[in-house]
Amino acid sequence: DAGVTQSPTHLIKTRGQHVTLRCSPISGHKSVSWYQQVLGQGPQFIFQYYEKEERGRGNFPDRFSARQFPNYSSELNVNALLLGDSALYLCASSSGTGAGETQYFGPGTRLLVL
Amino acid sequence: GQNIDQPTEMTATEGAIVQINCTYQTSGFNGLFWYQQHAGEAPTFLSYNVLDGLEEKGRFSSFLSRSKGYSYLLLKELQMKDSASYLCAESQGGKLIFGQGTELSVKP
Repeated sequence: DAGVTQSPTHLIKTRGQHVTLRCSPISGHKSVSWYQQVLGQGPQFIFQYYEKEERGRGNFPDRFSARQFPNYSSELNVNALLLGDSALYLCASSSGTGAGETQYFGPGTRLLVL
Repeated sequence: GQNIDQPTEMTATEGAIVQINCTYQTSGFNGLFWYQQHAGEAPTFLSYNVLDGLEEKGRFSSFLSRSKGYSYLLLKELQMKDSASYLCAESQGGKLIFGQGTELSVKP
């Protein structure tokens, strides 16, 4: 079975632009979470979606938004990009949103903002 | 608060045993995960503890003490391929709160 897939793998943008990152969860998983990982740090929680509804939001500005589609894939959108948005964006899927649900991560999208 | 503390770096010798410690805030605790992340790759799941005690899985074991807000990951018979970042993550309401990661270097 395919794992979590993300696209694109790498992306270069300039300040002020917007970006859309995409994620397809493991088949049968209904929950997708997004994390931002800056070099040398652990991942930071951005959003969690389950059955197309937002179930959690981390401490990120409104420039960050996301949605989940009927097929459970998800998009993360970032507007008005800043240099500090340069990071690895990780998508994780899980079967549900319970506390003990293991989240499985995709390979990530590496975003560089110039 | 959501502070997860773990050492930044550790070095160990091939064939040896290493213990990576993690402390976390106990309020709202729903379980403790350990992930391994090789450079440039995605984190991969290693273990999950929600009850006190030791969980053993091959060369890797993970321990939890809820009263102390403490966990450790034990790696035995270290191999060169174990050189990676090890991430401790607290589950809170279904989201994961990660520590900064411990960069483990295994030397021959």
